Amino acid sequence: ETGVTQTPRHLVMGMTNKKSLKCEQHLGHNAMYWYKQSAKKPLELMFVYNFKEQTENNSVPSRFSPECPNSSHLFLHLHTLQPEDSALYLCASSAISRRGDNEQFFGPGTRLTVL
Amino acid sequence: QKEVEQDPGPLSVPEGAIVSLNCTYSNSAFQYFMWYRQYSRKGPELLMYTYSSGNKEDGRFTAQVDKSSKYISLFIRDSQPSDSATYLCAMSVVRLQGAQKLVFGQGTRLTINP
Repeated sequence: ETGVTQTPRHLVMGMTNKKSLKCEQHLGHNAMYWYKQSAKKPLELMFVYNFKEQTENNSVPSRFSPECPNSSHLFLHLHTLQPEDSALYLCASSAISRRGDNEQFFGPGTRLTVL
Repeated sequence: QKEVEQDPGPLSVPEGAIVSLNCTYSNSAFQYFMWYRQYSRKGPELLMYTYSSGNKEDGRFTAQVDKSSKYISLFIRDSQPSDSATYLCAMSVVRLQGAQKLVFGQGTRLTINP
């Protein structure tokens, strides 16, 4: 295990539902990330949190709403999603080093299916 | 043009073969180059990283970076069935403070046949 856990591992939801994805890291890191992994596409960075402050929003639609209450927990709130949002959502965390070579540790992901 | 290009494969080779995986990129500002391995139903895990140009070796794995050609490679010697996975290249611009923004290739699915 990498020290990054994600729940749930699988989620099926309708387009009108509201659900949340949870990520927790046990590594003492200060940066956390959300990525989207779709078939036949590269991993796409969605959001970055640095010391609980959002530092990156990669033009993500507002139906995805991140929350970082502390440096160990990260949530992704979902509402009125579209079928094309079906994907594997990966959470990652990293330490902050002055050199910039901050290895990102990934969780196992949440497989989301939107009907 | 995508910032990072990687042939998605699939690539299938016999056990013991030498495997070569490659990525090209367009952003000359990239300084850190990484290879991640992702097994089925798992998240990616860092396999190797290199800073700037040159080679780096770790056991059966060798990573090469040629910044003049904007080309990086991962070589796997004496490949094993346990090496079967998707291999993702990733790159970033050096950021001295703050979180690191990685740009990934599409990933190459590799199968090593016993």
